[in-house]
Amino acid sequence: AQSVTQLGSHVSVSEGALVLLRCNYSSSVPPYLFWYVQYPNQGLQLLLKYTTGATLVKGINGFEAEFKKSETSFHLTKPSAHMSDAAEYFCAVSDLWNNDMRFGAGTRLTVKP
Amino acid sequence: DSGVTQTPKHLITATGQRVTLRCSPRSGDLSVYWYQQSLDQGLQFLIQYYNGEERAKGNILERFSAQQFPDLHSELNLSSLELGDSALYFCASSVGQDRLYEQYFGPGTRLTVT
Repeated sequence: AQSVTQLGSHVSVSEGALVLLRCNYSSSVPPYLFWYVQYPNQGLQLLLKYTTGATLVKGINGFEAEFKKSETSFHLTKPSAHMSDAAEYFCAVSDLWNNDMRFGAGTRLTVKP
Repeated sequence: DSGVTQTPKHLITATGQRVTLRCSPRSGDLSVYWYQQSLDQGLQFLIQYYNGEERAKGNILERFSAQQFPDLHSELNLSSLELGDSALYFCASSVGQDRLYEQYFGPGTRLTVT
């Protein structure tokens, strides 16, 4: 079965600092990997996804993630945090054959002025 | 605004009751997904319908069922409700049937079981 582990339920950074949110996955088949963001009282919004091809994926709002098969990781980064980035972030895994999707527990990002 | 609508926004009901949550997908989208978000269990995929047919099942309880109608709106039926069913229920839609296609999430229905 697929699974996702997000390391750190809370991450706090200063405005302008690097954002790094960690995600490790487990999958017996080539995975599809996703990062979603959830702002308070809203649904999820897709930040970026990896399916095949280039392992460095760029998403919206300046975020990017790198698929590292050898490390079974898909960490999310942003070079410079902005106050508007404060939200909950979810990593998720699926695959081509199984339309199930498993989410991590989420990481709450706080951005300090 | 994602274009996905969900009604009602809030629902308060008692244990043992049955409720129906409704979702209207974005215009042109054929897939509807249902998710449950709770403090205990986090975010879980429940079920997907594509063009009226069940496409995939996740962690959906037997007390829960869903359907997608010819006009593509979907309903999630929750019966014999328990306190643990209190959660935020999201619907999402996409144009295609697999996970390659971006899903657009609705604002959710908050269900409180007392």
